[in-house]
Amino acid sequence: EPEVTQTPSHQVTQMGQEVILRCVPISNHLYFYWYRQILGQKVEFLVSFYNNEISEKSEIFDDQFSVERPDGSNFTLKIRSTKLEDSAMYFCASSREGGKLFFGSGTQLSVL
Amino acid sequence: AQTVTQSQPEMSVQEAETVTLSCTYDTSESDYYLFWYKQPPSRQMILVIRQEAYKQQNATENRFSVNFQKAAKSFSLKISDSQLGDAAMYFCAYRAGAGSYQLTFGKGTKLSVIP
Repeated sequence: EPEVTQTPSHQVTQMGQEVILRCVPISNHLYFYWYRQILGQKVEFLVSFYNNEISEKSEIFDDQFSVERPDGSNFTLKIRSTKLEDSAMYFCASSREGGKLFFGSGTQLSVL
Repeated sequence: AQTVTQSQPEMSVQEAETVTLSCTYDTSESDYYLFWYKQPPSRQMILVIRQEAYKQQNATENRFSVNFQKAAKSFSLKISDSQLGDAAMYFCAYRAGAGSYQLTFGKGTKLSVIP
């Protein structure tokens, strides 16, 4: 069964550094998403992406965040200057028609 | 704004027994989707079951079924013949039917399965 893959599985960074989280969505999917889950809390929506542009974003997704689909297969989330409160599990997801989302295994980001 | 409430932080069930996880939601939309996701200790989010609000028939997937009560805005998940592998966090989620693709999640219910 096709999967959404995310790399790396764990990322440790110093506060103020830039990080890029990478995702390869399922190949025939058209909608892409990032969600995050702070430890012990619920999963929160960050951003959705369709037709090479952001279609929705939450209040969490401020100017420090950006997304890109650089080459038709990868979908990346960049955090420009990480803060301690950015420590979370970041999930990439994709869907074909916007309904049934398939999630990746997540990248655990630790900001020190 | 839409909200999703899971009032049971933790539940437990004996292996082979049946358990029901509760979820209520608040929306002014008439067209929407509801989901249950399972998150095992690996923390991957796995779709368990999906329900379209326009469908009156409750969705089923093998041992998993839902009781969708649209008027009451209730969407409970029933797990029959519980197995050890069912132990996980279960999240209820809502998505509006048109114009938005973001999921709104509840806080989750941690299910333990007792052998």
